[in-house]
Amino acid sequence: DTAVSQTPKYLVTQMGNDKSIKCEQNLGHDTMYWYKQDSKKFLKIMFSYNNKELIINETVPNRFSPKSPDKAHLNLHINSLELGDSAVYFCASSQLDKPNTEAFFGQGTRLTVV
Amino acid sequence: AQTVTQSQPEMSVQEAETVTLSCTYDTSESDYYLFWYKQPPSRQMILVIRQEAYKQQNATENRFSVNFQKAAKSFSLKISDSQLGDAAMYFCAYRSGDSSYKLIFGSGTRLLVRP
Repeated sequence: DTAVSQTPKYLVTQMGNDKSIKCEQNLGHDTMYWYKQDSKKFLKIMFSYNNKELIINETVPNRFSPKSPDKAHLNLHINSLELGDSAVYFCASSQLDKPNTEAFFGQGTRLTVV
Repeated sequence: AQTVTQSQPEMSVQEAETVTLSCTYDTSESDYYLFWYKQPPSRQMILVIRQEAYKQQNATENRFSVNFQKAAKSFSLKISDSQLGDAAMYFCAYRSGDSSYKLIFGSGTRLLVRP
């Protein structure tokens, strides 16, 4: 059983398109995250939801919109894709009241904008 | 704001030898948590080891151990008896003990293991 699963794993699309990445976790965690890993491997938080409520919203363009229909799902929609959006996007989950436990990560979605 | 620094972009170790990866962080908090994650070519982020700041004892997990120096804000990872499967990117990460929840990552160290 995959703990945190993302779809798709690879996404190639043209500039200006709109795309979505889906994430689901079966760990019963109450908090989910989106991280972006750039071409230099640097990982940075984008968003976090706790029980469907947005709790972290870093400086991210408005073209990025997360949506959490329930605490097991966190999707990322990106409008008007730009070349600079090319990166690997990771979904993760953790339990809010257990900060000493690790966040579990999905396998990442490699987004390539051409 | 907290920051995490990994000053070694790449390290190389001979199989069966020991290697230490460095990590320093900057924070004004007294309560926090530190992690080392491994990212092999498969991209999967895998937890290697964790350390609570309130614990003085250094964490160990089989061949992996940390040297946690709270006053120096240092959190290095020691890998003993290195194996070919240890080759990966290693990321040091900081999590605040307050309500911020997010992980702050260092820039990573690529570990090469020579057979």
